[in-house]
Amino acid sequence: GESVGLHLPTLSVQEGDNSIINCAYSNSASDYFIWYKQESGKGPQFIIDIRSNMDKRQGQRVTVLLNKTVKHLSLQIAATQPGDSAVYFCAEIANRDDKIIFGKGTRLHILP
Amino acid sequence: GAGVSQSPRYKVAKRGQDVALRCDPISGHVSLFWYQQALGQGPEFLTYFQNEAQLDKSGLPSDRFFAERPEGSVSTLKIQRTQQEDSAVYLCASSLGGERNEQFFGPGTRLTVL
Repeated sequence: GESVGLHLPTLSVQEGDNSIINCAYSNSASDYFIWYKQESGKGPQFIIDIRSNMDKRQGQRVTVLLNKTVKHLSLQIAATQPGDSAVYFCAEIANRDDKIIFGKGTRLHILP
Repeated sequence: GAGVSQSPRYKVAKRGQDVALRCDPISGHVSLFWYQQALGQGPEFLTYFQNEAQLDKSGLPSDRFFAERPEGSVSTLKIQRTQQEDSAVYLCASSLGGERNEQFFGPGTRLTVL
């Protein structure tokens, strides 16, 4: 069935380094992809999104890359900070205002 | 400037009890979603409302799960005869709808069924 999956369950990064979190998706019909950050005891928080007709989008300290050829999505966080510690989910939506399909998540640990 | 709120934040139920979980979306948000998040997993879609109309309930795991949004604002997710496998965090999200699809999530209700 349709699914969005992640390559690594846990990622440890030195404070100040860049983080790269990867995601593979299977539904080629999805036209909208989102990265969420979820801290303990909180709901998912929107980080950045990208439409399927784009291959890169930048935000503040974050960049999302989309490779439709290999159905791969990545989130790059520049100069990782302790406050970036969380679980990161990639997610896809087939149509606007439709249900979000989440992957399993990657837990990002920041090393001092 | 309140976001999405949910109550209660924590609920402990004995197996077989009925529970009701409440979601207050952001004022003016047309779309409302319920998700279930098991421990260590990503959220999974349960159901979706546009105003008071329940347009998609394909994710509800059984007929013990029921959701309503009678006036197009507050929504309640009801679980009848709770089972241990219902233990999870139940997340509510709302959005403006249409082309503005960013969904804002509440903090969730953690349900533990003993």
